[in-house]
Amino acid sequence: AQSVSQHNHHVILSEAASLELGCNYSYGGTVNLFWYVQYPGQHLQLLLKYFSGDPLVKGIKGFEAEFIKSKFSFNLRKPSVQWSDTAEYFCAVKRGNNRLAFGKGNQVVVIP
Amino acid sequence: GAGVSQSPSNKVTEKGKDVELRCDPISGHTALYWYRQSLGQGLEFLIYFQGNSAPDKSGLPSDRFSAERTGGSVSTLTIQRTQQEDSAVYLCASSLQVSSYNEQFFGPGTRLTVL
Repeated sequence: AQSVSQHNHHVILSEAASLELGCNYSYGGTVNLFWYVQYPGQHLQLLLKYFSGDPLVKGIKGFEAEFIKSKFSFNLRKPSVQWSDTAEYFCAVKRGNNRLAFGKGNQVVVIP
Repeated sequence: GAGVSQSPSNKVTEKGKDVELRCDPISGHTALYWYRQSLGQGLEFLIYFQGNSAPDKSGLPSDRFSAERTGGSVSTLTIQRTQQEDSAVYLCASSLQVSSYNEQFFGPGTRLTVL
């Protein structure tokens, strides 16, 4: 079945550590890729997106993601996390039918 | 301007009752989407509207679920004869147009608990 996979659902790390969250999808053809973040008690908000062009995209709060077409991946990275990055992170894929297909999310806890 | 709003924020109901969930999209947004976020299932697409019409209802889990949109604005998701497995957070999103390139803006969700 077509899907979006996120591994390591629970991630715990210390402040200043580097973060990388994997996202793989199984759709062929052209896709639009997104990372959304949900901070505790808040609603989903867009972190960054990829439509075309430079496969390395930069988002808000120092996050970036790299689209590797050959690997069907769109991994999220941040070189140095802060306590305020504690949140749930969702990868999503849109394939022209206007619905977003989400991964199951990564719960990230940053320890001060 | 104001973001997407949803009401109620929490709803507790008894099994077998009907519930209505409301979504007010961002003003001027023609596209509106409903998703469901439940434990173990992640975020699932339910239905989307272009204006008042729903071209894609394939995500609705059963015929107990229905949705409508009036005036190209407010949308209501109705669940009839609720079951315990309907317990979830129901999220609404809107975008300027129905396009792969338009960001979807999400509301805070309605947490539904079916006892």
